[in-house]
Amino acid sequence: DTGVSQDPRHKITKRGQNVTFRCDPISEHNRLYWYRQTLGQGPEFLTYFQNEAQLEKSRLLSDRFSAERPKGSFSTLEIQRTEQGDSAMYLCASSFGRRGEKLFFGSGTQLSVL
Amino acid sequence: AQTVTQSQPEMSVQEAETVTLSCTYDTSESDYYLFWYKQPPSRQMILVIRQEAYKQQNATENRFSVNFQKAAKSFSLKISDSQLGDAAMYFCAYRHGDDKIIFGKGTRLHILP
Repeated sequence: DTGVSQDPRHKITKRGQNVTFRCDPISEHNRLYWYRQTLGQGPEFLTYFQNEAQLEKSRLLSDRFSAERPKGSFSTLEIQRTEQGDSAMYLCASSFGRRGEKLFFGSGTQLSVL
Repeated sequence: AQTVTQSQPEMSVQEAETVTLSCTYDTSESDYYLFWYKQPPSRQMILVIRQEAYKQQNATENRFSVNFQKAAKSFSLKISDSQLGDAAMYFCAYRHGDDKIIFGKGTRLHILP
């Protein structure tokens, strides 16, 4: 399967712990996006990369959140000192970066902070 | 700032009937694209249909079609001959050029057998 893959699918953690998620985009894609989705809501943009460069971060993204894409391939999203409000599904998507093209999404990582 | 509004949190339709999901958006840009994505219980977002704003012709993909009213900034999705597999969350989305995609809050569609 050559789609976008995310790991893990589910993560349960205690408040105050750090968590890290991984996203492997479609291999030819230059762009990689992170979104957050809470129950009953649409995906909210967090950040995106063009190759290894982080081009935009949402103002929603607190200092506890950091994302990397060190070699322009896979990406990691780390949340430090997790809070209950961080409980959500974290979606990764990728694309070539062409105007108006669709994004290809992974199945997401569901985070539950207890 | 661009916004996408879906005013119907939930809708139901009888199997084999037709249903229309509403979406409005706000933008001052001229170069933009509109999308409808489907998110089934498996959670993976799947593109249903895409519309380029500079094209007047409404996009169609099999049983799915849109009614794109540019002046009114309206972009509704019509599903004909509804099937059980159409049950999902549907998200209207907007993209300016090669910028990020902005999503609405979604409409949950139930298909009644």
